[in-house]
Amino acid sequence: GENVEQHPSTLSVQEGDSAVIKCTYSDSASNYFPWYKQELGKRPQLIIDIRSNVGEKKDQRIAVTLNKTAKHFSLHITETQPEDSAVYFCAASGSSSNTGKLIFGQGTTLQVKP
Amino acid sequence: DAGVIQSPRHEVTEMGQEVTLRCKPISGHNSLFWYRQTMMRGLELLIYFNNNVPIDDSGMPEDRFSAKMPNASFSTLKIQPSEPRDSAVYFCASSPGLLNTEAFFGQGTRLTVV
Repeated sequence: GENVEQHPSTLSVQEGDSAVIKCTYSDSASNYFPWYKQELGKRPQLIIDIRSNVGEKKDQRIAVTLNKTAKHFSLHITETQPEDSAVYFCAASGSSSNTGKLIFGQGTTLQVKP
Repeated sequence: DAGVIQSPRHEVTEMGQEVTLRCKPISGHNSLFWYRQTMMRGLELLIYFNNNVPIDDSGMPEDRFSAKMPNASFSTLKIQPSEPRDSAVYFCASSPGLLNTEAFFGQGTRLTVV
């Protein structure tokens, strides 16, 4: 079945540094890759997404890259701030069955130290 | 729109009791997902509906778990009988139903089985 692997599980950076989170997926038919941020005690919320016809997408300090050949996609956060501290989840959707099933990675706990 | 609404927010029950979690998706959304979140296993997809029809229930852990979607505005997830290992946060999410679109999460139900 579909599987999404996410690394690292925890990441600690100094304020102002960059943070990179990487994911791989198993289903080559996947074509939608969202990233969610979950603050403590709250619901996951979408921060950025990318579709398979695009290799990179940027939104202010956040960017996502996609390598369909290698089945890799990554989240890049630049100039990190303490409020970026949260759990980040990658996900993949779209499959050979084309049902829109959304599978999440295991999550990365990001800590930004002031 | 008030977003995806889940009830109850918190549920504490004794082992062996029946538990019913409820979800109201965003009006007009055609896809509904039930996820379970634990520290050990992250966000697990339990079941997914499209146009009120269960599409994939391969994530439902055991026969003790069942889910229904009798109409476009309501879904339930039932655990009978409940066990301590079912303790988790259960999220419901909905999406417009078009492939590769954002899933919006509810606030979640924190279930504790003692």
